[in-house]
Amino acid sequence: IVMTQSPVTLSVSPGERATLSCRASQTVSSNLAWYQQKPGQAPRLLIYGASTRATGIPARFSGSGSGTEFTLTIGSLQSEDFAVYYCQQYNTWPTFGGGTNVEIK
Amino acid sequence: EVQLVETGGGLIQPGGSLRLSCAASGFTVSSDYISWVRQTPGKGLEWVSIIYSNGNTYYAESVKGRFTISRDNSKNTVYLQMNSLRAEDTALYYCGRTPAGSGNWFHPWGRGTLVTVSS
Repeated sequence: IVMTQSPVTLSVSPGERATLSCRASQTVSSNLAWYQQKPGQAPRLLIYGASTRATGIPARFSGSGSGTEFTLTIGSLQSEDFAVYYCQQYNTWPTFGGGTNVEIK
Repeated sequence: EVQLVETGGGLIQPGGSLRLSCAASGFTVSSDYISWVRQTPGKGLEWVSIIYSNGNTYYAESVKGRFTISRDNSKNTVYLQMNSLRAEDTALYYCGRTPAGSGNWFHPWGRGTLVTVSS
């Protein structure tokens, strides 16, 4: 299953809302996770089951969607949220999207 | 605290072998699932292999027949034996935990170990 993320780069001002998209080449039901990765660090799980926040993840992160279309919304961007975000399906053997780089506008 | 630490990476010639280790703390590797995932600037994140709590193992097509995942319960460590290495295996290799009974998402990940295959 091929995962396609858009946009590749998203320029956002602090305090603004960010909306990231992820599309699957075939249905993955709700078997979708989101990760955040900062330079020099491992990916960090944000969301699994398409919409369940992982332990310790702030409420400004929310996930939605099912089937082939998914969205990660960051409600009000904080300085620590500028990073690369990946989606991953686990309906079959795991595959990842190419990432969205959220940068400071 | 649940933690994973990868070691064993390095520079290896094409055709060579390397064994990566993933040492776990804060949980028991035999009770959960452990995957290896690799990352390159060009190909991004790629799932490589998984060992389930029941001992079953699975591999990506790109490494099947060359890589072997195993675990030592006494050391609470998972290994990735990599043989017949190719230039395209060059990557940062992470291990990640999946709680038993969950879907194959990964939390946490280790910091990674770099494998460079080059002559």
